[in-house]
Amino acid sequence: EPEVTQTPSHQVTQMGQEVILRCVPISNHLYFYWYRQILGQKVEFLVSFYNNEISEKSEIFDDQFSVERPDGSNFTLKIRSTKLEDSAMYFCASRDLAGITDTQYFGPGTRLTVL
Amino acid sequence: AQRVTQPEKLLSVFKGAPVELKCNYSYSGSPELFWYVQYSRQRLQLLLRHISRESIKGFTADLNKGETSFHLKKPFAQEEDSAMYYCALSNSGYSTLTFGKGTMLLVSP
Repeated sequence: EPEVTQTPSHQVTQMGQEVILRCVPISNHLYFYWYRQILGQKVEFLVSFYNNEISEKSEIFDDQFSVERPDGSNFTLKIRSTKLEDSAMYFCASRDLAGITDTQYFGPGTRLTVL
Repeated sequence: AQRVTQPEKLLSVFKGAPVELKCNYSYSGSPELFWYVQYSRQRLQLLLRHISRESIKGFTADLNKGETSFHLKKPFAQEEDSAMYYCALSNSGYSTLTFGKGTMLLVSP
């Protein structure tokens, strides 16, 4: 069964550095998402992406964040200048059909640690 | 603003006991409600959604609009049900999910 994959599984970086988190959604899916979960807190929506553009974003997704689908298979989340509070688990998800009842499939997550 | 509340961080039961994981939501429109599960060292996966009115692994959940609840129930818990359970609400055409904080279910032998 196809799965969403994410790399790396764990990323450690220094405060102020740029990081790129990578995701490979399921191949025929059209909608892509990033969520994050700070330790001990709830999973929070960051951004959704469809038709090569951002379709929705949360207040968390400020100018330090960007997303890209550079080559038709990868879906990346870039944080330009990391802060300590960006330390979290970042989940990518994808979905194939329109309509809010269709399932989002999640990747295993990337744990980002900002020192 | 939409909100999902799961009041219990941890629910510990014995095998064979009934289980009810509570979920309440706040949303002005007509929400779609989901339960996601995360087993140890595994990814988040959909358990069930209210519109399907299905039973998965013995779990059911009924949307009660009057009480704005979507509690997850199972009559006889099994050890393999031990996991983190998240209630989620979908509120837009792009299906962004709003999650509750999650409830850890521990089923002891």
